[in-house]
Amino acid sequence: QSALTQPASVSGSPGQSITISCTGTSSDVGIYNLVSWYQQYPGKAPKLMVYEDNKRPSGVSNRFSVSKSGNTASLTISGLQAEDEADYYCCSYSSTITYVFGTGTKVTVL
Amino acid sequence: QITLKESGPMLVNPTETLTLTCTLSGVSLSTRGVGVVWIRQPPGKALEWLALIYWDDDKRYSPSLKSRLTITKDTSKNQVVLTMTNVDPVDTATYYCAHRLPSGRTFDYWGQGTLVTVSS
Repeated sequence: QSALTQPASVSGSPGQSITISCTGTSSDVGIYNLVSWYQQYPGKAPKLMVYEDNKRPSGVSNRFSVSKSGNTASLTISGLQAEDEADYYCCSYSSTITYVFGTGTKVTVL
Repeated sequence: QITLKESGPMLVNPTETLTLTCTLSGVSLSTRGVGVVWIRQPPGKALEWLALIYWDDDKRYSPSLKSRLTITKDTSKNQVVLTMTNVDPVDTATYYCAHRLPSGRTFDYWGQGTLVTVSS
């Protein structure tokens, strides 16, 4: 069970939209629509941002949205803000009834 | 409000067994649908899912670490315990426990994490 593949870094200017990809296999991302995305600031615990078909916990902005095509899931952050600068991780439920995280993406707001 | 707090040793010698405890409040481990996971993160590296235990004592483990991990729960104390045998310096990481959202395959509440260093 290998980690899901994410780009190491993505950057954008305030107000722009950025997209982070999360590529897995037909045994995890591709087989289920059960991918979740977490935001993590340095030294802090991850925070759930979006999961499954664009479900968001209370208080999370709708600027965060997800999509999926085949074995690749994507997180789009629209209207990029300085506070969005953080690390982002995807996580998928897998056919082995376990979970697998992505390699993580550092988002930089220029 | 659900909260989780990890506790355990800050330093462990190589080859020893690591025992970590996650104490929950705001939710009971005996409630149908409740699940708790352990996740770790080596310094500067990515998150890694380790294990999961459900309210009915069903358990799941990371395939790559299954032989070294044991997850248990103490319903009377509302605690989940993770043991990892034969630790190595590569097991140095911040260990998090998190609550699995009953209605989804995701983790909605996380503990603050506890840093464990494996070194002699």
